Amino acid sequence: AQKVTQAQTEISVVEKEDVTLDCVYETRDTTYYLFWYKQPPSGELVFLIRRNSFDEQNEISGRYSWNFQKSTSSFNFTITASQVVDSAVYFCALSEAPRGGSYIPTFGRGTSLIVHP
Amino acid sequence: DGGITQSPKYLFRKEGQNVTLSCEQNLNHDAMYWYRQDPGQGLRLIYYSQIVNDFQKGDIAEGYSVSREKKESFPLTVTSAQKNPTAFYLCASRGGRTNEKLFFGSGTQLSVL
Repeated sequence: AQKVTQAQTEISVVEKEDVTLDCVYETRDTTYYLFWYKQPPSGELVFLIRRNSFDEQNEISGRYSWNFQKSTSSFNFTITASQVVDSAVYFCALSEAPRGGSYIPTFGRGTSLIVHP
Repeated sequence: DGGITQSPKYLFRKEGQNVTLSCEQNLNHDAMYWYRQDPGQGLRLIYYSQIVNDFQKGDIAEGYSVSREKKESFPLTVTSAQKNPTAFYLCASRGGRTNEKLFFGSGTQLSVL
């Protein structure tokens, strides 16, 4: 069974600090996908990134970067020079091979990031 | 613009009442999902549907029912059997045949009077 652990319930930083959100996953599949979503106060989850299990290359997108390490089953997310607009709940998700023909992502409990001005 | 529309944004349920949450998408996606979000609990899957006229129970389906009569619509009914319905409900859809990202609606907050 797939499982995602986000051990950090809440992180509070001051603007311009760097912050890393941790994500550890469990799966028996060799083929799987990992995702990060952002949930601002408006409530709608917004997709940030998708990474498949065969691509361990780290990715950078502006102030966002992701570190995927299969050896430690982790897919951590770093925000550089955080801004107040980064305040949100961030979810890590794992999706294995289809279950009955359907891809069913499992979400972590989320990490609430608060960036103070 | 294409997207997912959930309504209403806020909903109140009386004791013993069934209520229905609406979810409509114009993304031409086959797969649709309902998640429940409680504080500190993350998102838990209630029901999902891969195609029209077919749906499957998720991890916490008890006390809920769904229908999928049209590709665009996937309404969720919270029945009186659901004893703790207060939560934030999110509808999502996914296109394509591979493990693509989910698109989410803006959610419905359900509270008990």
